[in-house]
Amino acid sequence: DAGITQSPRHKVTETGTPVTLRCHQTENHRYMYWYRQDPGHGLRLIHYSYGVKDTDKGEVSDGYSVSRSKTEDFLLTLESATSSQTSVYFCAISKGGVNQPQHFGDGTRLSIL
Amino acid sequence: KQEVTQIPAALSVPEGENLVLNCSFTDSAIYNLQWFRQDPGKGLTSLLLIQSSQREQTSGRLNASLDKSSGRSTLYIAASQPGDSATYLCAVARGETSGSRLTFGEGTQLTVNP
Repeated sequence: DAGITQSPRHKVTETGTPVTLRCHQTENHRYMYWYRQDPGHGLRLIHYSYGVKDTDKGEVSDGYSVSRSKTEDFLLTLESATSSQTSVYFCAISKGGVNQPQHFGDGTRLSIL
Repeated sequence: KQEVTQIPAALSVPEGENLVLNCSFTDSAIYNLQWFRQDPGKGLTSLLLIQSSQREQTSGRLNASLDKSSGRSTLYIAASQPGDSATYLCAVARGETSGSRLTFGEGTQLTVNP
């Protein structure tokens, strides 16, 4: 299994609080991604990174920010959490290249009350 | 905007049956197509990746095909087993300049009955 660790695995917090999720990889892969998974919507891309300090938006980026200061860590921040951001969040990594799959972490279940 | 559809949404079969899961996408300008498996409460496991220039890929009892012109892919599972029970997800990737971003279907939930 690809060396991907997401933390925390579960979190319950209140509306309006800041939340940071961490993705840590031991594979030295160039690309890292944050997705959210919701019933009726499947997995949707929030943000991705193509190198240290290089990030770009996905299709559902509003309300989220990311940072990547080291190859191995990709942080997802909800500046002021809302109930609509209750979801399961997955981190993925990839070497890049047409024949390279994305490998996923085990997810973070986030509940915002 | 790329849209990915998977049919059926759920499928229940007896053990030993061969089965086909379907995936369709609206934009044929894809980089690659990936099939994943997701067990309840778990992350996604990569099963097969088909590059845009390829027609099929095989791994053990799994065979995935790709027809870019018609916007379709199928995942064939031979001699199904109860351990194959899971949700199967299809995803298409945009090009490298877009970070190989994936667009997912909502999945087919497969149950294989002993």
